[in-house]
Amino acid sequence: DIVMTQSPDSLAVSLGERATINCKSSQSILYGSKNKNYLAWYQQKPGQPPKLLIYWASTRESGVPDRFSGSGSGTDFTLTISSLQAEDVAVYYCHQYYNNPVTFGGGTKVEIK
Amino acid sequence: QVQLQESGPGLVKPSETLSLTCTVSDGSIYDNYWSWIRQSPGKGLEWIGYIYYSGSSNYNPSLKSRVTMSIDTSKNQFSLKLTSVTAADTAVYYCASCGGDCFWFDPWGQGTLVTVSS
Repeated sequence: DIVMTQSPDSLAVSLGERATINCKSSQSILYGSKNKNYLAWYQQKPGQPPKLLIYWASTRESGVPDRFSGSGSGTDFTLTISSLQAEDVAVYYCHQYYNNPVTFGGGTKVEIK
Repeated sequence: QVQLQESGPGLVKPSETLSLTCTVSDGSIYDNYWSWIRQSPGKGLEWIGYIYYSGSSNYNPSLKSRVTMSIDTSKNQFSLKLTSVTAADTAVYYCASCGGDCFWFDPWGQGTLVTVSS
């Protein structure tokens, strides 16, 4: 199975500041012939199911604010919240869909400093 | 957007079978792949498997020997059965729609907590 490792486990950021979450896969999840990274990001608020934010590593889902962006390729990926808002307090997960079984990172908790 | 709702017993005894159903509304069950995912404090998010309206399915190898998924197109529902459960199967179980060729999951149901205990 591909192991997805997120860092940090948690971070506290001031309102309006940048939050950066990292995700590393145990093997490349770049499908060369399609030049696509098989990675998604989700946001989970307390008591709610995960919500899709980004797929193909950098494509924002419809309706997701543009302060959320995804980057990276191969084995190293980043989710950036450019200007943290109060409603962004949540746990964020990365997810690889390159191989069966698909797997998730352990999550990064984002809080307000 | 399609909406999903899980239903089923919240308490299952060890060694018995966990059975859950997901009802799809505001959309057609013919349009997507449909997945089950669970979340527990110990194991985080774990994909269980997916099923297509044709009945074709794909399961997580770690659970494959205990999992069966089925689909009832007449009721717009799909179901999960997990046999021989133990306390390790205690989790919140989510149903979800798969985007693309069942790549990412969107949307998810609200989830249902299933506790395995005697």
